[in-house]
Amino acid sequence: EDQVTQSPEALRLQEGESSSLNCSYTVSGLRGLFWYRQDPGKGPEFLFTLYSAGEEKEKERLKATLTKKESFLHITAPKPEDSATYLCAVQTSRSSNTGKLIFGQGTTLQVKP
Amino acid sequence: DAGVTQSPTHLIKTRGQQVTLRCSPKSGHDTVSWYQQALGQGPQFIFQYYEEEERQRGNFPDRFSGHQFPNYSSELNVNALLLGDSALYLCASTGQGVSPLHFGNGTRLTVT
Repeated sequence: EDQVTQSPEALRLQEGESSSLNCSYTVSGLRGLFWYRQDPGKGPEFLFTLYSAGEEKEKERLKATLTKKESFLHITAPKPEDSATYLCAVQTSRSSNTGKLIFGQGTTLQVKP
Repeated sequence: DAGVTQSPTHLIKTRGQQVTLRCSPKSGHDTVSWYQQALGQGPQFIFQYYEEEERQRGNFPDRFSGHQFPNYSSELNVNALLLGDSALYLCASTGQGVSPLHFGNGTRLTVT
């Protein structure tokens, strides 16, 4: 069965304290891995897509990497406005397009000033 | 550029009732997917509509049904509501080719 697991469930950081969020996946075939940010009461906001092992994407203080079994979201010198739930999702070979994604349960990040 | 819009934002229903949620996709998108997100969990795929037909379906009972209109907007219908149907219902849209999903802010459904 296709599965996506994120860790930790919750993470508290001081402003400026860098860390990483993990997303491990067990799927029949990976077509793409997606990272989203979700603020309370809002829908997920797209951050990155990764397609193959070794690929990296960066945006401001965030950097996403991908291996054959997991992805990491590295947060460098976070600020309080980075506080949110970060969701990882995969599109498997059984899905014909990006409309059907399998999500992890998310990591809730709190950055204290 | 209008993003994905959903209505209503909040809804309270009684067990056994029926509910209809509405979604307009992002401009330029023709494919709509619906997700259910329980509190503290990641979204779960319900189904997807393209060219007014259901194309993919997740592991949800037949009580969950949908429709897509010629203007690409979509509805999600849930019959015989259960307490466990209480959740945030998210609509997402995508275009053709390699295109990530764009989500609306959801409809919060509470079943009492």
